[in-house]
Amino acid sequence: DVKVTQSSRYLVKRTGEKVFLECVQDMDHENMFWYRQDPGLGLRLIYFSYDVKMKEKGDIPEGYSVSREKKERFSLILESASTNQTSMYLCASSLRAGTGGAGYTFGSGTRLTVV
Amino acid sequence: GNSVTQMEGPVTLSEEAFLTINCTYTATGYPSLFWYVQYPGEGLQLLLKATKADDKGSNKGFEATYRKETTSFHLEKGSVQVSDSAVYFCADFTSGTYKYIFGTGTRLKVLA
Repeated sequence: DVKVTQSSRYLVKRTGEKVFLECVQDMDHENMFWYRQDPGLGLRLIYFSYDVKMKEKGDIPEGYSVSREKKERFSLILESASTNQTSMYLCASSLRAGTGGAGYTFGSGTRLTVV
Repeated sequence: GNSVTQMEGPVTLSEEAFLTINCTYTATGYPSLFWYVQYPGEGLQLLLKATKADDKGSNKGFEATYRKETTSFHLEKGSVQVSDSAVYFCADFTSGTYKYIFGTGTRLKVLA
């Protein structure tokens, strides 16, 4: 089975800190995604990447950036954390576009609290 | 653009009750449709899928039929268990794009 591993389950950071959320997948998937999940809002796409060093903005990219230097690793960066970025962050991966029938594989999530 | 609409929760049922969670989509073209489940404290897991009209996806006693004429993909289970308590997400994927469109999720609570 494909595994998507997020480095932390819980994080507490201070306002203004630079925060790195790491995600690693082990099945050579081309596409990787970062979502945030908030009550009543469902999943909202922050950024995605369809290849190494390639990235595309999702629906809510403001305040975030991403890095994909290796195929298996996709990092989400909060340049200066703010309290409205307190959320559950979910990483996912999938095969290349056109093979969407396989679905996403999700990590277990990182619950970030910014104080 | 594409959107997926799910019934609002929470849905509270007694054990062995019949479950329906409604989902409709507005994608143009011919999307694939999915149900994902999120158990407490975990990420999302793929529950079932259907890739073309009239297909039925099924897994763990859950079923959903891709109905193009009503643009729906309702999730059903004949007899729910306490262990089915989770949040359920409907999603679609249109070929040629990179991303899925998720509904807002429906929380199911099953009481013993």
